[in-house]
Amino acid sequence: GQQLNQSPQSMFIQEGEDVSMNCTSSSIFNTWLWYKQDPGEGPVLLIALYKAGELTSNGRLTAQFGITRKDSFLNISASIPSDVGIYFCAGPPPGGGADGLTFGKGTHLIIQP
Amino acid sequence: KAGVTQTPRYLIKTRGQQVTLSCSPISGHRSVSWYQQTPGQGLQFLFEYFSETQRNKGNFPGRFSGRQFSNSRSEMNVSTLELGDSALYLCASSLYPRGETQYFGPGTRLLVL
Repeated sequence: GQQLNQSPQSMFIQEGEDVSMNCTSSSIFNTWLWYKQDPGEGPVLLIALYKAGELTSNGRLTAQFGITRKDSFLNISASIPSDVGIYFCAGPPPGGGADGLTFGKGTHLIIQP
Repeated sequence: KAGVTQTPRYLIKTRGQQVTLSCSPISGHRSVSWYQQTPGQGLQFLFEYFSETQRNKGNFPGRFSGRQFSNSRSEMNVSTLELGDSALYLCASSLYPRGETQYFGPGTRLLVL
């Protein structure tokens, strides 16, 4: 099946720092979704991207749909303690596949005091 | 608008038993998808229901089944539970089948002893 490769796996940063993470695929995706999951909770949709080259912001979060359609990036500016969690990229398989959303393995964001 | 709700939030069962989990989608959403999340495998698609019909199914054994009611609420059932079924079961709703933007509930944490 389709695979989404997220990097880095983990990030240890200081409060106030900017964060960058990315997601790549061997196949073209027509939609990129970024979710954040807190421990014991379901993923919460942060940003949805529908067009190659699209750059979308949600507060301190900015995500971009890569021009090749095979990657996407998420940036968080001026991180705060509540940004801690796991960030997932996801997308529907190209060609309207029958497997639901494909998810990356996630980037664990840890903020050091 | 209320979000996706799932009941129960936590469940402890023993091997061989069966379990039924419930999901109420966002009002107006007619598509419900179920996912299993484990530390080793990440988020994996189970199945999707739309208009009371299963539209898609992931690569899970027949012990995993589901249904959808006329009010779009959905249930999933796992029979003959195994230890490996311990996981967070997530329900997601969207407007349309294979909806690209899915909204997740808080999940049901199932522990099989």
